[in-house]
This record gives sequence, C-alpha cells and structure tokens, in this order.
Amino acid sequence: DTGVSQDPRHKITKRGQNVTFRCDPISEHNRLYWYRQTLGQGPEFLTYFQNEAQLEKSRLLSDRFSAERPKGSFSTLEIQRTEQGDSAMYLCASSLKNEKLFFGSGTQLSVL
Amino acid sequence: GQQVMQIPQYQHVQEGEDFTTYCNSSTTLSNIQWYKQRPGGHPVFLIQLVKSGEVKKQKRLTFQFGEAKKNSSLHITATQTTDVGTYFCAGVYGGSQGNLIFGKGTKLSVKP
Repeated sequence: DTGVSQDPRHKITKRGQNVTFRCDPISEHNRLYWYRQTLGQGPEFLTYFQNEAQLEKSRLLSDRFSAERPKGSFSTLEIQRTEQGDSAMYLCASSLKNEKLFFGSGTQLSVL
Repeated sequence: GQQVMQIPQYQHVQEGEDFTTYCNSSTTLSNIQWYKQRPGGHPVFLIQLVKSGEVKKQKRLTFQFGEAKKNSSLHITATQTTDVGTYFCAGVYGGSQGNLIFGKGTKLSVKP
C-alpha cells in the first residue's frame, strides 16, 4: 500500500493522559498536513510541514498540541493532558508542493 | 479570519435529479479544491480550480470558479446512488497551499 498510513486507527484515553499519533506519508511527498475533523464538520487545519520544517501552525491550536517531522518522512502529533474536547478524528494528508492532498484514514480519538 | 462558507449543509435528492453545492469566501482565493468524503471514509480529491471563471467537467460533475475568485460551485447532473457522501470545498489564500481552509461540506443523500 503506497497511500498515507496512520497509526493507531482508534485511541481511547482518559482525560489528562498524553497521546501520540503517527503518520507515514506517501514517500515522494514533501508536504505533510495534520487536520482535525468532528462529526458534521469539515477538516480543521492544525499544522503542516514542508520536508522537516513546520511552516505553519493554526492559531487556534492549544500549546498542548505539538507535531514533529524529524527526518522529513513520518510525522507524529502529540496531545498532552487530553481534554474531552479533543475527541475527534485526526487526519493526516500529504502532497507535493501546491498539489492535491492525499488523506490517510485517520486516527479516531475518544477522551473519556 | 479566512473562512469558506458552503451551502446547503444537507441535500436530499431523488436519483436522477441534479445537485448543486456552493462555496463562498469573503476574500479572494488563490485557488480552490473540491473533495468528496464517503460515509466512514476520508476526503478524496476531486479537482482544483485556479483561473478566474474556470469551468471543468468530470463526467456528470461540473465545477466552476467565479470571476472574482471568491466563489465556486459543484453541479452533479442526474445523480446516482454512488454520488452519496459529503462534498467539501477547500480554499487556498495567498500563494501557498500550506493552509488549505475547508468548508463545512454539503452532505448529499440520494434516494433510489
């Protein structure tokens, strides 16, 4: 499978715990994006990378969220001290510069 | 801030009827993309429009970009049950696609 892979598919955690998600983009894609989607809403931009550089981060994003792409390949998204409002589908996408996005299947986070 | 408004939120049609969803931005877009998300799936790229007044067709789907590059539409002729899903427009502001802003989507249901 040469698409965008996300792990895990589902994550259930207790409020206050830290969680980390992983995204493996399509190998030749230099851009990697993180979005969050809740039921009935469109994907909400969180952050994006070009190669290993994090070029933009949503102003709405809490300091509890951090993302890395250390070698310009896979990326991780960490949420510290999770809150119930963090429950959502976390989508990763990759692309070549200024071209269409390919989305992964997402990680569904439930915070109890 | 930059925001993309999409209407209607829901559309229920009889199979064979036409369907249109509209996307509006208060500020000029650099380009606009359209995505389709099937129930339980992830967004899948349909098309990108770049030029003012551009019209593109994909079989029964017609996409338009307004002259002022502030609005766009997707029209489906003679809907089929396979068209079911949520259609999102996503706008790009400025020259970089880094921050692709999604609308809330139009959820289409088709009654056979």
